[in-house]
Amino acid sequence: DAGVIQSPRHEVTEMGQEVTLRCKPISGHNSLFWYRQTMMRGLELLIYFNNNVPIDDSGMPEDRFSAKMPNASFSTLKIQPSEPRDSAVYFCASSLAGGVYQEQYFGPGTRLTVT
Amino acid sequence: GQSLEQPSEVTAVEGAIVQINCTYQTSGFYGLSWYQQHDGGAPTFLSYNALDGLEETGRFSSFLSRSDSYGYLLLQELQMKDSASYFCAVRVNFNKFYFGSGTKLNVKP
Repeated sequence: DAGVIQSPRHEVTEMGQEVTLRCKPISGHNSLFWYRQTMMRGLELLIYFNNNVPIDDSGMPEDRFSAKMPNASFSTLKIQPSEPRDSAVYFCASSLAGGVYQEQYFGPGTRLTVT
Repeated sequence: GQSLEQPSEVTAVEGAIVQINCTYQTSGFYGLSWYQQHDGGAPTFLSYNALDGLEETGRFSSFLSRSDSYGYLLLQELQMKDSASYFCAVRVNFNKFYFGSGTKLNVKP
């Protein structure tokens, strides 16, 4: 299996622009997670889906952030408009809910820089 | 809310044993996971404890005490490649995880 795929790997954009991050989970996994990692705040859960349905979005920082999962093999995280404080590494992870170890498989991440 | 505490940094020599502790406060606790992350990389799964006791996987072991809200990761026969950050994460409400701030392990020759 190719693992979790994220694109783009790096994104540099100007403040005010829209940013869309993409994720393809591992085939057969039914849970998908979006995380943000910064030095100051560590690894934060933004939102997670079970069977394509958003279950908990309490970690989404504000209305500028939105996430969708139109099908089992694709999810997007959108920031509109972007701000410099959104600069971070964004990870997507997938897992098989109900599995014994609840192991999450992380993608390589998207490093976002907002200038 | 949830809170997790782990040391920010630990240094040990190659071949030694190191223990990284994690204490947590949370509601709806299901289990405790450990992840490793090398600089510039993604977190990778190491272990998961749902019940009290010790789980061993090769050189790595993880322990959980639910009554003490405490767990640790034990790394034996340290190797230089073990230099990385290690995160504990609590699983709550079936499928939600909160990560600690991470412990940076420096392995010296």
